Amino acid sequence: AQSVTQLDSHVSVSEGTPVLLRCNYSSSYSPSLFWYVQHPNKGLQLLLKYTSAATLVKGINGFEAEFKKSETSFHLTKPSAHMSDAAEYFCVVSADTGFQKLVFGTGTRLLVSP
Amino acid sequence: DTGVSQDPRHKITKRGQNVTFRCDPISEHNRLYWYRQTLGQGPEFLTYFQNEAQLEKSRLLSDRFSAERPKGSFSTLEIQRTEQGDSAMYLCASSISGRGAADTQYFGPGTRLTVL
Repeated sequence: AQSVTQLDSHVSVSEGTPVLLRCNYSSSYSPSLFWYVQHPNKGLQLLLKYTSAATLVKGINGFEAEFKKSETSFHLTKPSAHMSDAAEYFCVVSADTGFQKLVFGTGTRLLVSP
Repeated sequence: DTGVSQDPRHKITKRGQNVTFRCDPISEHNRLYWYRQTLGQGPEFLTYFQNEAQLEKSRLLSDRFSAERPKGSFSTLEIQRTEQGDSAMYLCASSISGRGAADTQYFGPGTRLTVL
């Protein structure tokens, strides 16, 4: 069965410094991988999606993620953090089977200090 | 495209009562999903519809839970005889089926259920 592990429950950065949120996945087949962001009292928003095209995926708000099959990783990065990036981030893998179930990690809370 | 909407946004109920939540997907999205998110956790899949057909249900969905999508548009999730353990955020998502890779699911704001 597919699963994702988010290696950090909390990440703290200063505004203007790089962001790295780590994610490892497990899947029997070629997975589809996603990063979603959840701001307080707001719905989940898709940041980016990997579907076996380019291994480096660019998303919204300057975020990007790189799919590394050899490491089974899909880490999320951003060159320079902004205060508005403070939120909960979820790494997500699609089910191996034909239907569309998503499996979420436990989340990483990103804290951005001035 | 007005996004996925859910109603109500908050529901407080007493243990043993029945509750019903509604989800309106993005128009023309033929797939609809329900997830549950408890505090400090990621969302967990509950069930999935393609048009009006319920194609998959999680083991999390006990006999007290039922979901419908009668005309392939909006969906309802009913919980009978609520328990304190049902307290959670219930999320709805929708997508349009494509070929090959997984659909992009668009999420609503959720319904927060508190069972006293």
